Amino acid sequence: AQKVTQAQTEISVVEKEDVTLDCVYETRDTTYYLFWYKQPPSGELVFLIRRNSFDEQNEISGRYSWNFQKSTSSFNFTITASQVVDSAVYFCALSPTGNQFYFGTGTSLTVIP
Amino acid sequence: EAQVTQNPRYLITVTGKKLTVTCSQNMNHEYMSWYRQDPGLGLRQIYYSMNVEVTDKGDVPEGYKVSRKEKRNFPLILESPSPNQTSLYFCASSSSGTGFEKLFFGSGTQLSVL
Repeated sequence: AQKVTQAQTEISVVEKEDVTLDCVYETRDTTYYLFWYKQPPSGELVFLIRRNSFDEQNEISGRYSWNFQKSTSSFNFTITASQVVDSAVYFCALSPTGNQFYFGTGTSLTVIP
Repeated sequence: EAQVTQNPRYLITVTGKKLTVTCSQNMNHEYMSWYRQDPGLGLRQIYYSMNVEVTDKGDVPEGYKVSRKEKRNFPLILESPSPNQTSLYFCASSSSGTGFEKLFFGSGTQLSVL
């Protein structure tokens, strides 16, 4: 069975604080891709990152960083020095085949000025 | 401008009245898919299409139909809508024949079935 769990339903932080969004996945496939998408209050879904199961190298892009650990089936997302514009719902997703996608229930992040 | 266009943005209908939500992309993408978003459930995949005339079920296909007669269009059809299909619907496309490349999403269609 394929499953993505985002245990944090809502998180609030004060601007400039760091925040980590957790994502735990379940799959029996050895090859798969993991994604993060952002949904700001306007409602559109925006791609943030894609990682494949063979590449456990952590990635940093500006204030964003991702920690992929196969041993714990986790793909966590950290925002450093959060800003009000980071307020959004963030979805983690798993795709074992590239055709079917399994999304988590999302984490709503509020950054308080 | 590269985009995925869904219509309508908002739709209120009654139980049993057939409806179609259109989705069109101008990026020559092979892969397209539909999702519904419900509070507390995240996004769930309804159907996907790897190319023209190739469609397959996602996680929650019951009550929905799709067709892919042209590469750019992927309409979602509700033959007999029911209140439990009230949801926010998203169409998405991807440049690869699978979805391993990033998904481009439409703006969403908020459907209410009374």
